[in-house]
Amino acid sequence: SQQGEEDPQALSIQEGENATMNCSYKTSINNLQWYRQNSGRGLVHLILIRSNEREKHSGRLRVTLDTSKKSSSLLITASRAADTASYFCATDRNAGNMLTFGGGTRLMVKP
Amino acid sequence: NAGVTQTPKFQVLKTGQSMTLQCAQDMNHEYMSWYRQDPGMGLRLIHYSVGAGITDQGEVPNGYNVSRSTTEDFPLRLLSAAPSQTSVYFCASSYSIAVGNTEAFFGQGTRLTVV
Repeated sequence: SQQGEEDPQALSIQEGENATMNCSYKTSINNLQWYRQNSGRGLVHLILIRSNEREKHSGRLRVTLDTSKKSSSLLITASRAADTASYFCATDRNAGNMLTFGGGTRLMVKP
Repeated sequence: NAGVTQTPKFQVLKTGQSMTLQCAQDMNHEYMSWYRQDPGMGLRLIHYSVGAGITDQGEVPNGYNVSRSTTEDFPLRLLSAAPSQTSVYFCASSYSIAVGNTEAFFGQGTRLTVV
C-alpha cells in the first residue's frame, strides 16, 4: 500500500500558469520530499520539508506542510514546457530515507 | 563523480531465471535502497541498507534478496523471476541520519521484463 495519495492525478496547463499539486499521507512523518520524474528517467529531488516546518521555497517551487491534516502541496509558479514531468511526494518516517511514495501527478505544460 | 549507477538498463528474463541487478554509488553514502515502479504508480520499497553488512526488508521484499558487503555496492538478486516482477527498478542512496535530513539520489533505473 502507498502512504500518500496525490491530487490531481493529471494536470494540463499553459506555459506561464501556476501548477498546484496536493499530497495526503496517513502516518506521522519526519520529513516529506518532492521528486520529479521525466518520462523514462530516474527521480530528481526537488525539495525536502521537515515535520516542524510549514513552508519552504526553492526558486519557482513553494511547498507547504500541514501535519495536523497530514497533507502537503507543491506549487510551481510561472510554469515552463520543461516542467512537463511526473511529480511525486514521498514521506520519510524516521529520517532514514526509507521513502513511501504517492502515486504521482502527471503535469503537462503546453507551450 | 558518477552518482548512483545501475546496470543493466534493460533486461528480459524467462520465468524461473535468476539474475542480479547491480547498483553502485561513489558518494560514500551509508544508506542505500531498492524500489520498484509499476506502470502509472509511485515507487515501492523492496529492501534497504543502513550500512555495510546491514540490510532489512521494505514493503515488497518477497522474491528478492540483497547483500551489502561494501559501502559502494548494493546488488538486488531475483531468485526465480516471475511475470509479476516485470517492473522498473530504481536504486537510491543518501547520507545517514547523523548528517540530518538529506535527499535521496536515484539511479536511472533498470527496466526488467519477465516473459
